[in-house]
Amino acid sequence: KAGVTQTPRYLIKTRGQQVTLSCSPISGHRSVSWYQQTPGQGLQFLFEYFSETQRNKGNFPGRFSGRQFSNSRSEMNVSTLELGDSALYLCASSFSGQGLAGELFFGEGSRLTVL
Amino acid sequence: DQQVKQNSPSLSVQEGRISILNCDYTNSMFDYFLWYKKYPAEGPTFLISISSIKDKNEDGRFTVFLNKSAKHLSLHIVPSQPGDSAVYFCAASEYTGTASKLTFGTGTRLQVTL
Repeated sequence: KAGVTQTPRYLIKTRGQQVTLSCSPISGHRSVSWYQQTPGQGLQFLFEYFSETQRNKGNFPGRFSGRQFSNSRSEMNVSTLELGDSALYLCASSFSGQGLAGELFFGEGSRLTVL
Repeated sequence: DQQVKQNSPSLSVQEGRISILNCDYTNSMFDYFLWYKKYPAEGPTFLISISSIKDKNEDGRFTVFLNKSAKHLSLHIVPSQPGDSAVYFCAASEYTGTASKLTFGTGTRLQVTL
């Protein structure tokens, strides 16, 4: 069974640009969550999608957005990039969601560097 | 506002000894707690979990303890092995009205030395 796949694995952008990251969940999983990992901040929750609907979101500015397609694949977009957006962006999938509903399966992440 | 805190950024333990990783939380609505382990260049992987109705859950060398009155949980690894060297994240779940939502701590880097 293939795991969670994130593309691209590494990318470099400059301030003001925008970026789109992609996540393919494990087959059969309908929930996709996105996290930002930075040193000292741990995993900061961005948003969760389930059956193409955003169910929860974290405390990030509107520059961070996402969507989920009918095949459960998800994308997140960051517009007007800032230096502080440099981070590892992790995608996680699960069958029905976070917490009690089941554990999350993470991808290897997309490492974004903003210059 | 960090609702889940791991106050020790790093921990070094000798092989064969016990590793104790701690986690504190502030939100009394959390009802489920998990530990994830992360190796460099890999995504976190689920390790062990505990429901708020329990105070202990054991899985092989890993045991998680929950003290609800103190809003504290800990992960015990006995005996510690070099392969346990990784970053450990605790996470807590609450139901937000639409779905459960996980909040992660900042992580503790465990190094198991020979």
